[in-house]
Amino acid sequence: DAGITQSPRHKVTETGTPVTLRCHQTENHRYMYWYRQDPGHGLRLIHYSYGVKDTDKGEVSDGYSVSRSKTEDFLLTLESATSSQTSVYFCAILGGGGEDTQYFGPGTRLTVL
Amino acid sequence: QKEVEQNSGPLSVPEGAIASLNCTYSDRVSQSFFWYRQYSGKSPELIMSIYSNGDKEDGRFTAQLNKASQYVSLLIRDSQPSDSATYLCAATLSASKIIFGSGTRLSIRP
Repeated sequence: DAGITQSPRHKVTETGTPVTLRCHQTENHRYMYWYRQDPGHGLRLIHYSYGVKDTDKGEVSDGYSVSRSKTEDFLLTLESATSSQTSVYFCAILGGGGEDTQYFGPGTRLTVL
Repeated sequence: QKEVEQNSGPLSVPEGAIASLNCTYSDRVSQSFFWYRQYSGKSPELIMSIYSNGDKEDGRFTAQLNKASQYVSLLIRDSQPSDSATYLCAATLSASKIIFGSGTRLSIRP
C-alpha cells in the first residue's frame, strides 16, 4: 500500500460541468501521475507532476488541467466535462529510493451524461 | 508501431498449467520493464520488474527479457483461478514516465 487515496471514488455528472478529482498521498513522493483507462486503450497518461507547482502534459491532456500546490495533493480538473471523458481515472506515484516503479491509487469511476 | 504491444486475449489456460504472456516493445522505450496484474474493478498492482536480459523468478512468476528481440514475457506456473485477471506490460519511456500496453486478459479454467 503506497498510501494513495482518491476522491471521489464514483461520480456522475452532466456534460459541460467542471469536475475536480483529488489524489492524496501520505509518503512525500515527488512524482505523481494521472491516467485514464478505457477498454482497448490500456492506461493513458493525462498529466504528471515532478514537484510542487511543476507539472507536464501526457499523451491525452486536451480538456484536462492539473494543479499541485502541496506535495501530498495532485488535482485533476475537467474544465467542461464531455461524454468522451467518461472513464476510470487512476492516480499513481513513483516509488522512492531510486525505484522507477509506479504504484496506483484505487481509481475514480467518472460518468459524464 | 506502439511503444508497448500485447495481445488482448482472452488467453484461456487450464488450472495447474503454465500461462505465458507476451509483450513486444519499440526502440523508444528505455531499460526497465514491468508486469502489473489488474483484477476487474481494481487498480493495477505490480507483480514484477525486470531490467536485465534473462529470467527473473519470484514464486510462481518468471519474467523473461530479451533485448535483442525486444520482447518481455511473464510465465505463471501452476496457474490458479485467482490468477484470472488482466496483465499489463509496461516500460519506461524516460526516467519518470512509464508507458503501458493495453493488457492481456487471462482466464484460468478449473
